[in-house]
Amino acid sequence: GESVGLHLPTLSVQEGDNSIINCAYSNSASDYFIWYKQESGKGPQFIIDIRSNMDKRQGQRVTVLLNKTVKHLSLQIAATQPGDSAVYFCAENRGSGGSYIPTFGRGTSLIVHP
Amino acid sequence: NAGVTQTPKFRVLKTGQSMTLLCAQDMNHEYMYWYRQDPGMGLRLIHYSVGEGTTAKGEVPDGYNVSRLKKQNFLLGLESAAPSQTSVYFCASSPSLGGVGSNQPQHFGDGTRLSIL
Repeated sequence: GESVGLHLPTLSVQEGDNSIINCAYSNSASDYFIWYKQESGKGPQFIIDIRSNMDKRQGQRVTVLLNKTVKHLSLQIAATQPGDSAVYFCAENRGSGGSYIPTFGRGTSLIVHP
Repeated sequence: NAGVTQTPKFRVLKTGQSMTLLCAQDMNHEYMYWYRQDPGMGLRLIHYSVGEGTTAKGEVPDGYNVSRLKKQNFLLGLESAAPSQTSVYFCASSPSLGGVGSNQPQHFGDGTRLSIL
């Protein structure tokens, strides 16, 4: 899994499997977390977000889990498809002088084999 | 609805040249950001703006300047380009929630690929 500051890891899965991408964050004051997907040659796209008053949030085929005790965030993708192949970033929002400045992890590369 | 548009998409500069990257958003967002992305790394914040006429430094501001004269535009300038500024530059925008900052996801452009020789 990634940390908001580590070497880019790679996750390889077979089409149809479930994928889990992990992220550790450092600031216990962060209260908003976002997952982005970045396809080659494109900018990051929003997938799902979660606020610190929640432990779990589900979207279409994606679920984000937040464990504030250990400062850990995960993205679960159900029935992974080749179109899910991309780099996935987690981001945390931490306050800075009243403005919330997002900080990004270095990303996890997901490769889906047909 | 174009979202966030960055121009140019590609550019090659010589060391010491100057240039300006343009970012335009049509979503009436208050917040705008400039990031750089280097191979194998995440996005690093260069500068950001919380509204028209305001700018602030991010994590890696040295060698860059920005301006936000109009709400929909955020310009990133390189006064004297250096090879270390070879990167992919992304602009993003987000709405704000009241007066406590922006707890909303960002909308990104597709990047400007800049090479400094």
